Parts: sequence; C-alpha cells; structure tokens
Amino acid sequence: EVQLLESGGGLIQPGGSLRLSCAASGFTFRNYAMTWVRQAPGKGLEWVSGISGSGDTTDSADSVKGRFTISRDNSKNTLYLQMNTLRADDTAIYYCAKGLKWFDPWGQGTLVTVSS
Amino acid sequence: QSALTQPPSASGSPGQSVTISCTGTSSDIGGYNYVSWYQQYPGKAPKLMISEVTKRPSGVPDRFSGSKSGNTASLTVSGLQAEDEADYYCSSYAGSKNVIFGGGTKLTVL
Repeated sequence: EVQLLESGGGLIQPGGSLRLSCAASGFTFRNYAMTWVRQAPGKGLEWVSGISGSGDTTDSADSVKGRFTISRDNSKNTLYLQMNTLRADDTAIYYCAKGLKWFDPWGQGTLVTVSS
Repeated sequence: QSALTQPPSASGSPGQSVTISCTGTSSDIGGYNYVSWYQQYPGKAPKLMISEVTKRPSGVPDRFSGSKSGNTASLTVSGLQAEDEADYYCSSYAGSKNVIFGGGTKLTVL
C-alpha cells in the first residue's frame, strides 16, 4: 500500500524557517515525481512545488519562488520542503502527493501556522 | 496564473445526476489532456477521482466520469448517493511543470 506521511509542521513566527518532510513507502520512490500542495484554512488547493524522480528538475509557484525549496533524498525515500522567510499567508495545511501532472495518493497533511 | 473557475456549489437529490464545470484557458485545460478531479471530505486529504480528463483510478465508482470540451472540463456524478457530498476540485497541468487548481465546488446531496 502506498503511504505518504508528512511531518515538521508547527507554529512559527513571521520571517522564520521550517522544513517539512514526507516519508514515502509502498512504491519505488525514485521512479516518481513528487509534489507539495497547500490549503489555507477554509480555502482551496494551491500547487506549491514539484520535483522529478531523480531530483534534478524542480519548479515552484510564483508565490513561494525564492523562499521555498523542494528536494528529495531517494536513499531515504523522503521528500522535503524547506520554507524560509515565512509569511502569515503561508499558513496552511501542506500535503505531499505522488505525481507531477495529477496527484495520487496524498498524505494526511501537516499544519503550518505563521503567527507572532 | 489564475485559478480555474468552478461554481462554488452544486446539488442534487439521491439518484439524480449532477455535473460540475471547470473553466480554464487554452494555456491549461485547452492545451493539455491532463485535467484531474479530487474529492475532499472535511478535515481529510483530497482523493483522486479522475485523471487525464476521463480516467478513473481503481476503486473509484463508475458513477464518476470526466469530460472536456475546449477550455472547459466537467465532472459528472450519476446516481447521486449521500456519501458523494463533499468538496470537489479540478486541476490542470499548465506547462513547465506547473499545475493550477479550481476554487472548489461544494456538492450537496439534498
């Protein structure tokens, strides 16, 4: 069974940094692109960043470009999202998902709250 | 890039069919056959219901179907059941490894 388990969320002050992790199991991790999607409280879904299976190709939404970095460690079957210079409007549940053009499955999400 | 346009709400009675639209542009929906649909219950992660416009993953009831015409995609739920009440999001690949989502539609089963 494919499973994705996010961790690393929490309460952080504006301007701070946080690293999210997504532990994958049940599939050959290195063969699949992965994506981060977020959902602000009571709002819709927003694509954040995607990475190829090898990790050599990445892209991010304009709203996070220059502040967030997606990466992966295929030896540990883990996806990461390094988030710097966090702002209040980054407050959201962050989901990792398998795939690049469509997403299946999704993890349960980890909540990031940016507030002083 | 702007979000895809979905109606905020849709409804139908049990057994009826309901269709949710998702409108984009020639740079996203109209340019690629990579429209997908997700079902989300409150407090839960989204679940893929349709990929590549019309493909239904294993385990998704065949009451769910997808289609596309020009810059507009649609999700049809036939034979509505109480368990179909949820939020539904469309998404489309938009080139350069970007994906955009619709604003979501709350489906109510009357």
